[in-house]
Amino acid sequence: DGGITQSPKYLFRKEGQNVTLSCEQNLNHDAMYWYRQDPGQGLRLIYYSQIVNDFQKGDIAEGYSVSREKKESFPLTVTSAQKNPTAFYLCASSILTGGKETQYFGPGTRLLVL
Amino acid sequence: GNSVTQMEGPVTLSEEAFLTINCTYTATGYPSLFWYVQYPGEGLQLLLKATKADDKGSNKGFEATYRKETTSFHLEKGSVQVSDSAVYFCALSDRSGGYNKLIFGAGTRLAVHP
Repeated sequence: DGGITQSPKYLFRKEGQNVTLSCEQNLNHDAMYWYRQDPGQGLRLIYYSQIVNDFQKGDIAEGYSVSREKKESFPLTVTSAQKNPTAFYLCASSILTGGKETQYFGPGTRLLVL
Repeated sequence: GNSVTQMEGPVTLSEEAFLTINCTYTATGYPSLFWYVQYPGEGLQLLLKATKADDKGSNKGFEATYRKETTSFHLEKGSVQVSDSAVYFCALSDRSGGYNKLIFGAGTRLAVHP
């Protein structure tokens, strides 16, 4: 089955701790994205990567870091510099068809602060 | 900048009622338009999309038509079911920053009662 997996489903962070959220896709998509969702709001872009070994900041990158060493994987680290990390984090990957892009999402990771 | 405005929820309907969720957008150029659905505790699923003016996207009984003259992409379904209860997000593709990203509306919660 092709798809996007995220782990863990729930993650707890202690004060001053860095935590890493996993995102893996077997769809052979080139581009991958991380979004943050807060209650009652739409999604906001944190980071994106269009190809391996390249990534760019989105609208709310402060306090986050990413890597893209493999096409299939795009992990997100929430650092201690992110002062309000409690949110639902969604990973996406995209395919280009006829010059138009469509993004597909994983099941999400809910991050809670202890 | 580009933006998406959705009607506020929650929308509460009885089973088999007609559904309309309004979505209007502001954009330069010709973005693709999307509806995503989010069931409780899950990620976003692509419901339908339209890539150019007058295109109609459809899936699972839901439809939306890309109306450039009214900058709208309203979601409709002729007869809703309890299983349609979810949050619906309208989104547009934005390349103004030199990369593809999705701009989301705030989401509309739909509750369908038996």
